[in-house]
Amino acid sequence: QVQLVESGGGVVQPGRSLRLSCAASEFTFSSFTMHWVRQAPGKGLEWVAFISYDGNTKYYGDSVRGRFTISRDNSKNTLYLQMNSLRPEDTAVYYCARDYGSGMGDYWGQGTLVTVSS
Amino acid sequence: QSVLTQPPSASGTPGQRVTISCSGSSSNIGSNTVSWYQQLPGTAPKLLIYRNNQRPSGVPDRFSGSKSGTSASLAISGLQSEDEADYHCAAWDDRLNGYVFGTGTEVTVL
Repeated sequence: QVQLVESGGGVVQPGRSLRLSCAASEFTFSSFTMHWVRQAPGKGLEWVAFISYDGNTKYYGDSVRGRFTISRDNSKNTLYLQMNSLRPEDTAVYYCARDYGSGMGDYWGQGTLVTVSS
Repeated sequence: QSVLTQPPSASGTPGQRVTISCSGSSSNIGSNTVSWYQQLPGTAPKLLIYRNNQRPSGVPDRFSGSKSGTSASLAISGLQSEDEADYHCAAWDDRLNGYVFGTGTEVTVL
């Protein structure tokens, strides 16, 4: 059974950095595009970033471009999200999700909560 | 912020049919396929419909999707209590070079 397990969330002060990880198992991670999606408390879903299977193509949402960096280590079956210059409005549950070829999210992780607060 | 517009809420009694709309533009729904996700309280989203009207294995055929022009719809027929959840639509946006989600619709079974 495909598994995606996020980690790295926590409480961080505004302006600081945090790195999230998403450990993948039970599928050929290196063959799939991956995404990060977030959900602020009581709000809808917001797409954050996309990385191609080989890491060569990356796209970002407007609200995080220039501050967040998506990356992957296919040898470790792990997806990352480096978040810099964090703002209170970045507070959310962050999910990693697998791309299914013509769309996003045939599998999702359980999410990790990031709280940006002083 | 959400680019696709959904009604904030929808409701029905058990057995009824409920339809949720998702309105976009030519750069997203108008030129790309639509996905729908079900999110039960406190859980991660689950893919419900992909490529406008396809159901993943295990999704009951009570759920159906359609698309016309720059809008899409999700229909739940034979509404059941376990269908109480938030429903989100999504599509790739060619102008933004990213995915856009709908505002989300909370479905209540009366």
